[in-house]
Amino acid sequence: DTAVSQTPKYLVTQMGNDKSIKCEQNLGHDTMYWYKQDSKKFLKIMFSYNNKELIINETVPNRFSPKSPDKAHLNLHINSLELGDSAVYFCASSQEGGDNSNQPQHFGDGTRLSIL
Amino acid sequence: GDSVTQMEGPVTLSEEAFLTINCTYTATGYPSLFWYVQYPGEGLQLLLKATKADDKGSNKGFEATYRKETTSFHLEKGSVQVSDSAVYFCALSGLTGGGNKLTFGTGTQLKVEL
Repeated sequence: DTAVSQTPKYLVTQMGNDKSIKCEQNLGHDTMYWYKQDSKKFLKIMFSYNNKELIINETVPNRFSPKSPDKAHLNLHINSLELGDSAVYFCASSQEGGDNSNQPQHFGDGTRLSIL
Repeated sequence: GDSVTQMEGPVTLSEEAFLTINCTYTATGYPSLFWYVQYPGEGLQLLLKATKADDKGSNKGFEATYRKETTSFHLEKGSVQVSDSAVYFCALSGLTGGGNKLTFGTGTQLKVEL
């Protein structure tokens, strides 16, 4: 069983389009994240949600809008796609809160977004 | 803010060679430290972790010790295999306004040849 699953795995689209990436976790975790990995493999956090509430928003353009319908899902919607949005986007989850701050994050396999 | 610095790659070794990938960090408070591995075309997998000073994390023959005095968490393996070829990321976990954020190093690509 896949713990953190993202769809689609590949996404190729034109500049200016709007697209969504979906993420689901079946680990029962209460916190989910989106990370962006650029062409040089550098990983940077974008958002974090805890129990459907936004906790971390790391100066990401407001063209990016995460949506968490429940604590097992965190989708990423991107408006007006730009060339610089080409990257691999990773979803992750962990169990946070209380003394659980040291728990590792579990990652999905990534969505490779290519803007033409 | 928090930051992680790790040695640049690629690192190319022969099978059964000794591996060290250096990692140092800057953080406020007492972060947890992690090594993640990314195999080609896959997501990140947790390799090992350490949550406090002098803790040693180990898994699959890899080890790293949390050194507070040198703010380091170097990854080592005594004898690498071709199957260890991957990108290795050092990361620290710090609390940010109630959220737990991973700050990653730039990654070190390891190539192991026969």
